[in-house]
Amino acid sequence: AQKVTQAQTEISVVEKEDVTLDCVYETRDTTYYLFWYKQPPSGELVFLIRRNSFDEQNEISGRYSWNFQKSTSSFNFTITASQVVDSAVYFCALSGRLTGGGNKLTFGTGTQLKVEL
Amino acid sequence: KAGVTQTPRYLIKTRGQQVTLSCSPISGHRSVSWYQQTPGQGLQFLFEYFSETQRNKGNFPGRFSGRQFSNSRSEMNVSTLELGDSALYLCASSLDEGTQYFGPGTRLTVL
Repeated sequence: AQKVTQAQTEISVVEKEDVTLDCVYETRDTTYYLFWYKQPPSGELVFLIRRNSFDEQNEISGRYSWNFQKSTSSFNFTITASQVVDSAVYFCALSGRLTGGGNKLTFGTGTQLKVEL
Repeated sequence: KAGVTQTPRYLIKTRGQQVTLSCSPISGHRSVSWYQQTPGQGLQFLFEYFSETQRNKGNFPGRFSGRQFSNSRSEMNVSTLELGDSALYLCASSLDEGTQYFGPGTRLTVL
């Protein structure tokens, strides 16, 4: 069985602070994918990043950065210099190998990020 | 390229009724997946369709069903609605086993 844990239910920061969202996953698959999605109040899940299990290279994209550590089964997400528009619920998700192929995302419970002025 | 579209965006039904939700994937995407989001259970996988065939299925009762058409558009149906079916239903599309892109969702309220 696959499991994704986001221990932080809600985080509040003041604009321009850096914030890190934690994600820990469990899977028996050797090949899998990890994702981060953002859900603003409108409800649509917005794709942010995908990483496969063989690519532990960390990435920076603008104000976003990701830290994937297979040894600790963690895939953390950092927003640098947060802005009010970053306020949303952030979901970490895992997709493993399925018999017959295909897609099935297992989501964490989400972290509500509130960025205040 | 247009994103994933879902209709209707909002729906109110009463217990015992049935409902059909529609999803149009991104052009060229052949995989369509459905998820249910509730405050209590979070985001849960319902099923996935690929080339008009159900390829994967989550742990939901048989009241939840779906289908996919030759143009990759998909519908999901919930029969004999229960209060607990009130949720945001999200559709996602992908090329095959790639990144899933989500639509805006259909918010279903069962009274």
